[in-house]
Amino acid sequence: KNQVEQSPQSLIILEGKNCTLQCNYTVSPFSNLRWYKQDTGRGPVSLTIMTFSENTKSNGRYTATLDADTKQSSLHITASQLSDSASYICVVSATSRGGGNKLTFGTGTQLKVEL
Amino acid sequence: DAGITQSPRHKVTETGTPVTLRCHQTENHRYMYWYRQDPGHGLRLIHYSYGVKDTDKGEVSDGYSVSRSKTEDFLLTLESATSSQTSVYFCAIRGSGGNTEAFFGQGTRLTVV
Repeated sequence: KNQVEQSPQSLIILEGKNCTLQCNYTVSPFSNLRWYKQDTGRGPVSLTIMTFSENTKSNGRYTATLDADTKQSSLHITASQLSDSASYICVVSATSRGGGNKLTFGTGTQLKVEL
Repeated sequence: DAGITQSPRHKVTETGTPVTLRCHQTENHRYMYWYRQDPGHGLRLIHYSYGVKDTDKGEVSDGYSVSRSKTEDFLLTLESATSSQTSVYFCAIRGSGGNTEAFFGQGTRLTVV
């Protein structure tokens, strides 16, 4: 069964600090790994997409890494801001019939940035 | 925001009544998806579509049906709503190609009483 596990479940950090969120997966056949940010009451918004051959990808203060051998990914947030408070969801894509690439979602890490 | 709209945004309905949620896109994307989001679970796929009249089941499809009669609209129907279907429902769209970005709607909060 395809699974995506994230840690920690929740995290509180002070504004300006860095943090790293973790994602482990067992999804096959692997197509790509995505990180999404979901603000309360909104739909998820894509931060990064990484394929098998990519080790790292950045989007502003967000940097994602992927180790396809160990099936692990991390999302590093630099110089956190209050607006970073959200749920961060790791999503792994597997190829499927019709090319629709079924997505398996983690339960997310709830990040709160405080003053 | 990507051109994706869900309606209604909120709905309260009684057990046993039929409910239809609508997802409308203006991006002409091939793939459309319906997910539900519940506490303690990641988003779970209900049904998806890979073209007009082409749909397939997801991992939690029981009690749900879908239809896609034109590219821009993907309807999710609960034939006879149950309390276990109280959830937040998200529609997503994606263009062709395995690594294209998926865009999500704002969600529909459905409460079955």
